[in-house]
Amino acid sequence: EPEVTQTPSHQVTQMGQEVILRCVPISNHLYFYWYRQILGQKVEFLVSFYNNEISEKSEIFDDQFSVERPDGSNFTLKIRSTKLEDSAMYFCASWSLLNTEAFFGQGTRLTVV
Amino acid sequence: AQSVAQPEDQVNVAEGNPLTVKCTYSVSGNPYLFWYVQYPNRGLQFLLKYITGDNLVKGSYGFEAEFNKSQTSFHLKKPSALVSDSALYFCAVRAPSGNTPLVFGKGTRLSVIA
Repeated sequence: EPEVTQTPSHQVTQMGQEVILRCVPISNHLYFYWYRQILGQKVEFLVSFYNNEISEKSEIFDDQFSVERPDGSNFTLKIRSTKLEDSAMYFCASWSLLNTEAFFGQGTRLTVV
Repeated sequence: AQSVAQPEDQVNVAEGNPLTVKCTYSVSGNPYLFWYVQYPNRGLQFLLKYITGDNLVKGSYGFEAEFNKSQTSFHLKKPSALVSDSALYFCAVRAPSGNTPLVFGKGTRLSVIA
């Protein structure tokens, strides 16, 4: 069964450092998303991406965040200068309109120290 | 704007008893509704969805949910709970048009006690 894969599973970084979270969506999907979840709480939308551009973003997704699909398979989330409050589980999701439901990766746990 | 409410932070049920996890939603137009489950230290796993058609939808692991348009609800149910059902359950909604993102409720922790 196809699945969304995310790497790394856990990333520890120092405050102020840049991190890149990587995702490989399901191959025939066209819509991609990043969500985050702080300490087992609510799952919050960050950004959606389609046709090589951002289609929607939340107020959380400020200038320190960026997304990219550099090679047609990977989908990355970059946080330029991490803050303690960026510590969370980050989930990548993808879907195609044929499915209507989104498929989520296992998540990357980001710990900022 | 879309929103989802899960009024219970925690639901406790004895193994073998029926369970219900509540969800109400707000969205413009006809909603697409979903339930996801999250086991400890794991990702979000799709359980079931309502798009159109029969108001009672069946999903994975014996779960089902009933869409009630007049009450704007989409409660998750299971006739007989298992200890292995203990997890965090999220209700989500999105508008049917285009590429609108999923909006999640805050989650309900289900504990099934043997």
